[in-house]
Amino acid sequence: QQQVKQSPQSLIVQKGGIPIINCAYENTAFDYFPWYQQFPGKGPALLIAIRPDVSEKKEGRFTISFNKSAKQFSLHIMDSQPGDSATYFCAASYESGNTGKLIFGQGTTLQVKP
Amino acid sequence: KAGVTQTPRYLIKTRGQQVTLSCSPISGHRSVSWYQQTPGQGLQFLFEYFSETQRNKGNFPGRFSGRQFSNSRSEMNVSTLELGDSALYLCASSLLGLAGVEQFFGPGTRLTVL
Repeated sequence: QQQVKQSPQSLIVQKGGIPIINCAYENTAFDYFPWYQQFPGKGPALLIAIRPDVSEKKEGRFTISFNKSAKQFSLHIMDSQPGDSATYFCAASYESGNTGKLIFGQGTTLQVKP
Repeated sequence: KAGVTQTPRYLIKTRGQQVTLSCSPISGHRSVSWYQQTPGQGLQFLFEYFSETQRNKGNFPGRFSGRQFSNSRSEMNVSTLELGDSALYLCASSLLGLAGVEQFFGPGTRLTVL
């Protein structure tokens, strides 16, 4: 129940393509869903986050789609660039709880070819 | 504003030894969380400290311990090292340590156990 399942494990797209990364969760108590981006040799950095009362959120070229009934959410990267090549992690947490603990998906390694 | 710093960046130890890793959070942040990152298990939550108190603990054996000092700096200790403890250990700092409040990750300490 604490798991967040992420797919695919790896993804290769051409520049300008729209990679989509999917995540699914079981625990309906989760109420905060961030996405993190990690470059080699660096720690993860917050990219964008969503709460379950919103079905979609956009920030620049990054969009999260959220389906509360299916307990799934996904990250779309519009007009992807080689600089977007990184590992992406979805995560879940309890905004209503007294904790910042994050439960992460397994990660997706994205390669954007020029 | 200085980011999260972790020392040392790289560490090589042998089985049975113990190790102490250090994390200095962003100035003013009171919450520090620790995560273990491995290729097989991904990012897993170790523990979370807020104002010198452990607020949350992940599912790791008692060999893993931590503490937080009055200046919010944190250390984690692993005793009786095992080969499987080889991982990237990440520290994240947050103003309040609550979901919905951004967590900033350090670059990590790469621990290799021989």
